[in-house]
Amino acid sequence: DTEVTQTPKHLVMGMTNKKSLKCEQHMGHRAMYWYKQKAKKPPELMFVYSYEKLSINESVPSRFSPECPNSSLLNLHLHALQPEDSALYLCASSPEDSGRDTQYFGPGTRLTVL
Amino acid sequence: QQPVQSPQAVILREGEDAVINCSSSKALYSVHWYRQKHGEAPVFLMILLKGGEQKGHEKISASFNEKKQQSSLYLTASQLSYSGTYFCGTQGGSEKLVFGKGTKLTVNP
Repeated sequence: DTEVTQTPKHLVMGMTNKKSLKCEQHMGHRAMYWYKQKAKKPPELMFVYSYEKLSINESVPSRFSPECPNSSLLNLHLHALQPEDSALYLCASSPEDSGRDTQYFGPGTRLTVL
Repeated sequence: QQPVQSPQAVILREGEDAVINCSSSKALYSVHWYRQKHGEAPVFLMILLKGGEQKGHEKISASFNEKKQQSSLYLTASQLSYSGTYFCGTQGGSEKLVFGKGTKLTVNP
């Protein structure tokens, strides 16, 4: 089973709202990732968690706050977002963050900020 | 640095072959290939590792020239289901995976 699940599938929020995106995998992977993808662009890395610890933050604004409560779960907390933050947010996982492992992507959450 | 993909777009008829190229200006540890259909998540196709190891889709082949930091994805006897945008992603050791801008492949009947 190579399934990564994400909820919700779609999210519409105002600039003053607080919301969270959820990602889950049960493959025993120890690395999990958040990517942001704008239309007709490649995915761009936001955060990497390795063994439940934040290992990479690609200079993401503080209005995005990641959390890894356990090895299977990854959250992305959103607060005071801007309309330009509207995008597809993808979660991925891999056995390790070694460069030798495949990253498996979830279906994504399509976020619209009004 | 972002890898460079070519061509940017290609249109095929069903049954034709295509090659998509990916090159980097830095030494690579691995090359990852994904296909993404409109509105969907990227789907893993193949990973090529420094040293020659490959893992991936049985109907798709790829090459990795470590000296030239180049990889090519070979799509033979294309099917309608091959349509989508193909991304290569490159990693240098434990660095992050960086994706190219993508190649849009359209397969027509």
